[in-house]
Amino acid sequence: DIQMTQSPSSLSASIGDRVTITCRASQSIKTYLSWYQKKPGKAPELLIYGASNLQSGVPTRFSGSGSGTDFTLTITSLQPEDFATYYCLQSTSIPRSFGQGTKLEIK
Amino acid sequence: QLQLQQSGPGLVEPSQTLSLTCAISGDSVSSDSDAWNWIRHSPSRGLEWLGRTYYRSKWYNEYAVSVKGRITINPDTSKNQFYLHLNSVTPEDTAVYYCARGRDTPRDRWFDPWGQGTLVTVSS
Repeated sequence: DIQMTQSPSSLSASIGDRVTITCRASQSIKTYLSWYQKKPGKAPELLIYGASNLQSGVPTRFSGSGSGTDFTLTITSLQPEDFATYYCLQSTSIPRSFGQGTKLEIK
Repeated sequence: QLQLQQSGPGLVEPSQTLSLTCAISGDSVSSDSDAWNWIRHSPSRGLEWLGRTYYRSKWYNEYAVSVKGRITINPDTSKNQFYLHLNSVTPEDTAVYYCARGRDTPRDRWFDPWGQGTLVTVSS
């Protein structure tokens, strides 16, 4: 099974900051990596798919990069609505596996 | 626009079976580009993929090892929905359960959209 390791597990930042979250796979997953935003009481929402493709309707301050085993999610110019928990997901093989999450909090 | 609507009880007694339904609108459960997934979320485990069902000339099911032997996911083509059955539940199975469409082609693989979530508590 493929293990997904996210870092950091939590992050404090201010409005307007740029933040980067990383996700590392235990073996190559090509670009079968997607990122999700989850807010309390709501379902996760797709932000990025194929490692770097922005889902329709998602603000352009979100971007993703990487291939193989190392991936990043970057949020430029943080907005109040961006404070949430972020998860990566590998979809190269079964079982599908998520990172453990990164909780982004307001400093 | 594709939407998933979940239904099912929020309280299940220990050793009983957890059963949830995910109704699909705007797509077909028999789509040859999609798979139909169940995922759960708990503070202790984060997001955990449980399994999926999908149609590629015939029906397939795949399950997580952590619940294999207790889980069944099956489609209902007449109602365009799919189900989760998890038997012999314990308090460890308490979580918010989500269904999700998984786009599953060589080019595109992701989960979107998700159902609204169902908090299932295992307790007597």
